[in-house]
This record gives sequence, C-alpha cells and structure tokens, in this order.
Amino acid sequence: AQSVAQPEDQVNVAEGNPLTVKCTYSVSGNPYLFWYVQYPNRGLQFLLKYITGDNLVKGSYGFEAEFNKSQTSFHLKKPSALVSDSALYFCAAATANFNKFYFGSGTKLNVKP
Amino acid sequence: GAVVSQHPSRVICKSGTSVKIECRSLDFQATTMFWYRQFPKQSLMLMATSNEGSKATYEQGVEKDKFLINHASLTLSTLTVTSAHPEDSSFYICSARLGSSNQPQHFGDGTRLSIL
Repeated sequence: AQSVAQPEDQVNVAEGNPLTVKCTYSVSGNPYLFWYVQYPNRGLQFLLKYITGDNLVKGSYGFEAEFNKSQTSFHLKKPSALVSDSALYFCAAATANFNKFYFGSGTKLNVKP
Repeated sequence: GAVVSQHPSRVICKSGTSVKIECRSLDFQATTMFWYRQFPKQSLMLMATSNEGSKATYEQGVEKDKFLINHASLTLSTLTVTSAHPEDSSFYICSARLGSSNQPQHFGDGTRLSIL
C-alpha cells in the first residue's frame, strides 16, 4: 500500500534555530513529493515539490527539502526558524500511475521566541 | 497564480438540510479537482476525485448519494452534502490541479460545516 509517514506529531524549536520536519514515503515507482503548510482554519499552501533532478529543492519562505532515495525520505528544513513559521505541515506523495496524493498525518511546528 | 476559491467559508444549518460548497480555480483551468474532509488535528481524508465532464471517483467508504459532486466546467466543482446530519460536521477542503500528477494541487481555504 502507498503511504507517507510523518513520525513526529509536533516539533518545537526556538526562533533563529534550524528546523527539520521529517517525512518518509512508501510509494511504488518514481515518487513525486510535496510539502504543504496549513494555518488554522485555512486550506493548504504549497511550499515545494520534488519531481526529478537535484535532490535539494528550494521552496517558498526559505524552506527547502532534501530527497533521499536510499532512505525514502523527504525532510523539510529551514536554516533559521521564525515564529510565523508555526503551523501544521503536511508531506504528500504521488506518482505518474496514481491520480491522487497520499498525505502524511501532519506535523505541528511550534517556533518559540 | 494558481488561486483556488472555495465558498462559503463557514456554514451553520439545521439537520436535514442540504448544503452546497463551490470550488473555483480562478486563474487556471483545472483538469482534476479533489474534495477532502479534515477532522480536528488530523490529516486530510480524500473523499473523491472529479474530472471535468465525467463522474466523480469516490474513495471507499464515501457515500455517493450523500456527497454529490459535480464538475461541470474546467473552473468549477461543487460538493453537495445532502440531508446533512451532525456527524457530517467537519472541515471540507477542495483542491484543483492543472495537468498530470507531477503538478501540485492548489487548495481552497476550506469550508467549516456545522450541522445543528
């Protein structure tokens, strides 16, 4: 079965420190991987995607993610966290054979001043 | 670009009424639209996938007659919750995608549905 895992329900970091939100996937074929952010009572905002090519992809708001095929991971990172980054983050996967996204369970990021 | 508008943002209505939620892609033509349901502090649950001009594909366990989906144009999909009951109260989110599965889905801001 296709699935995406976000092993951490919550991540706490201090403002200015680097942050990492973890994501691993189990998807057959070559995966397309995405990160989204959700603020309270809002829809999801697209941050970045990996389709092919360079394993390190850069996205919106200073976020980046690294695709690691051997570890089947796509962790989201940011060098210096902001309080305004506090939100719910979702990892998602798709392939050419599947019309739909498989979402992880979400990770709540808390950035403290 | 890639803006998806979802309306209404919040609905409160009595049990037994039907509620229609609209999802529009404002600046692109969406070949595929998706409807999700999100419970508090949980991930998104895909309800159905709709392609313009064809019947929606429902996920297992989602009642077709309860959640009617119409995708009449490349910019509009609607979800109608028929004869809504309190257990249908939830946050419903639509998304739209241009092209194939390597393209990101763009999400509306969601509809908070509360059935009294």
